[in-house]
Amino acid sequence: ETAVFQTPNYHVTQVGNEVSFNCKQTLGHDTMYWYKQDSKKLLKIMFSYNNKQLIVNETVPRRFSPQSSDKAHLNLRIKSVEPEDSAVYLCASSQAENTLYFGEGSRLIVV
Amino acid sequence: QQKVQQSPESLTVSEGAMASLNCTFSDGTSNNFRWYRQHSAKGLEVLVSIFSDGEKEEGRFTAHLNRANLHVSLHIREPQPSDSAVYLCAVSLAQTGFASALTFGSGTKVIPCLP
Repeated sequence: ETAVFQTPNYHVTQVGNEVSFNCKQTLGHDTMYWYKQDSKKLLKIMFSYNNKQLIVNETVPRRFSPQSSDKAHLNLRIKSVEPEDSAVYLCASSQAENTLYFGEGSRLIVV
Repeated sequence: QQKVQQSPESLTVSEGAMASLNCTFSDGTSNNFRWYRQHSAKGLEVLVSIFSDGEKEEGRFTAHLNRANLHVSLHIREPQPSDSAVYLCAVSLAQTGFASALTFGSGTKVIPCLP
């Protein structure tokens, strides 16, 4: 049963455009995350957000920014996309440091 | 920096046999290990979580952890067509206080086939 919802599931855009992905969790968890999954299925953490505390992976380019209105929502904005941003972006949530629950992912294709 | 490596990259297994997946990690202080499954174009679902040496069973899925050997494995008993997916090993240093310390392997693609 899906409890982490991501939209859109798929998005194609041109280099330089702005893109936003939305994520909502209905599990009542206190922490949310964004991961990037590349074509080889490797997952890398981008951001985690807990009680308004943001932890950023230092390797994430500045054109990426998370946006949260409350603990159930964490959106991902990409200001000016580049070809290497093509990937699947996975949102997840957890309660403290327990198991992560993932959404179904948002596939981005930059042309 | 934690390194997590999985093998094999792909595994074809007869339905009814046992599938064995391997995962090695580099940081011996890791204490949080999870196996996830990802069906095609879907999100990840957790299968087994294990935190101490030994084994942990969840239905047809059994994880074995040997921290001295920096190794955690997953065994799938009697694989079924619905087990066709990529299996991801995830390791973390839970003392950071955030599951964001989770490091993933690059996955093993499991392909059940008729005997």
